[in-house]
Amino acid sequence: SQQGEEDPQALSIQEGENATMNCSYKTSINNLQWYRQNSGRGLVHLILIRSNEREKHSGRLRVTLDTSKKSSSLLITASRAADTASYFCATDAGGATNKLIFGTGTLLAVQP
Amino acid sequence: EADIYQTPRYLVIGTGKKITLECSQTMGHDKMYWYQQDPGMELHLIHYSYGVNSTEKGDLSSESTVSRIRTEHFPLTLESARPSHTSQYLCASSAPFFTDTQYFGPGTRLTVL
Repeated sequence: SQQGEEDPQALSIQEGENATMNCSYKTSINNLQWYRQNSGRGLVHLILIRSNEREKHSGRLRVTLDTSKKSSSLLITASRAADTASYFCATDAGGATNKLIFGTGTLLAVQP
Repeated sequence: EADIYQTPRYLVIGTGKKITLECSQTMGHDKMYWYQQDPGMELHLIHYSYGVNSTEKGDLSSESTVSRIRTEHFPLTLESARPSHTSQYLCASSAPFFTDTQYFGPGTRLTVL
């Protein structure tokens, strides 16, 4: 069974609005990461939050982590058409391998 | 922008052909990974490597094989392609000891007819 599940599966908003995506996972983690994927391209790392952190900011991105609920959220503020992409959360499996388990992804469409 | 490259970007090939998907990185990363991703779906790890001469199978069973003869190079081979192998293949690498961030190549979209 997959480690990360995200909701919503798809989200359509207007430019300037905020977008919130949620990720739930099943096992304990060392950290949780969010990646972005433009259509047909590779993934780009956005932000990493460690298990002992509750909130982290990077530009227009805000990530929260609730280890008691095994969930995380990604907030994109003041969205732009260029933010249109799929967003994936990924949790590490621990150990020396740096193996990541990816969620199902949220497809965000920002309408101009 | 990550220094990790994949070729070809697109490949359409007939059933039974042998194919090799190339992945190379210039960041000196020890760890490298291959993921398979169907359109609109999550990524599944199919192979990974800790370093030269180290390869391991990932969480998703795959008929492909990999090799790691040089640090910068991690090719994936399918001996006999089948339509069920049609997918996007993403290569990634990560640095040791520091963050757990993975850097991804642009991917190879494989179609087997």
